[in-house]
Amino acid sequence: DAGITQSPRHKVTETGTPVTLRCHQTENHRYMYWYRQDPGHGLRLIHYSYGVKDTDKGEVSDGYSVSRSKTEDFLLTLESATSSQTSVYFCASEDNSGNTIYFGEGSWLTVV
Amino acid sequence: GENVEQHPSTLSVQEGDSAVIKCTYSDSASNYFPWYKQELGKGPQLIIDIRSNVGEKKDQRIAVTLNKTAKHFSLHITETQPEDSAVYFCAASKNGKGIIFGKGTRLHILP
Repeated sequence: DAGITQSPRHKVTETGTPVTLRCHQTENHRYMYWYRQDPGHGLRLIHYSYGVKDTDKGEVSDGYSVSRSKTEDFLLTLESATSSQTSVYFCASEDNSGNTIYFGEGSWLTVV
Repeated sequence: GENVEQHPSTLSVQEGDSAVIKCTYSDSASNYFPWYKQELGKGPQLIIDIRSNVGEKKDQRIAVTLNKTAKHFSLHITETQPEDSAVYFCAASKNGKGIIFGKGTRLHILP
């Protein structure tokens, strides 16, 4: 357990509004990730970060941006939420000594 | 990029029997293969992993095998118990660029 907390855990928002999800980890892990989970698609990588201010796109990055101003925090922003972004979002961080990746408990986002 | 295929999507086994879930991957450079268990309403939890320099790894009732030549790996759960009911995901990764998941297997343990 890497002490990963996500906030908010549940959110309902309207189409077109901006939304920011926060991920906080307490293990000083260098790598952090944002995934979304949808029925029939499993977990898909949105963006990842390999250090403060260092981020890169994953396989489903369109419509999302991220920021990493501190090692412990990784923010995911939906600039203008759409109904297709209704999903469960998982943050993860990677053990610095290997590839072990730990997940947070998820953020349920509904865009109406 | 990497693509991970997982089969079956649903698996039902009698309590006490064994369960096997199989995955294939496409990128021969992938070198880390974790398996996650996800219970309803929770995040995925790592249950076992294997690296490309190892062919098999075992931890109590669970084991994972890796065939690098064929690019496939499998999860074996023996003496299944009701608490093994969950969704299981295989994944593949290479050196800190995130892991790519299979689409999951829903395992039902029948009484």
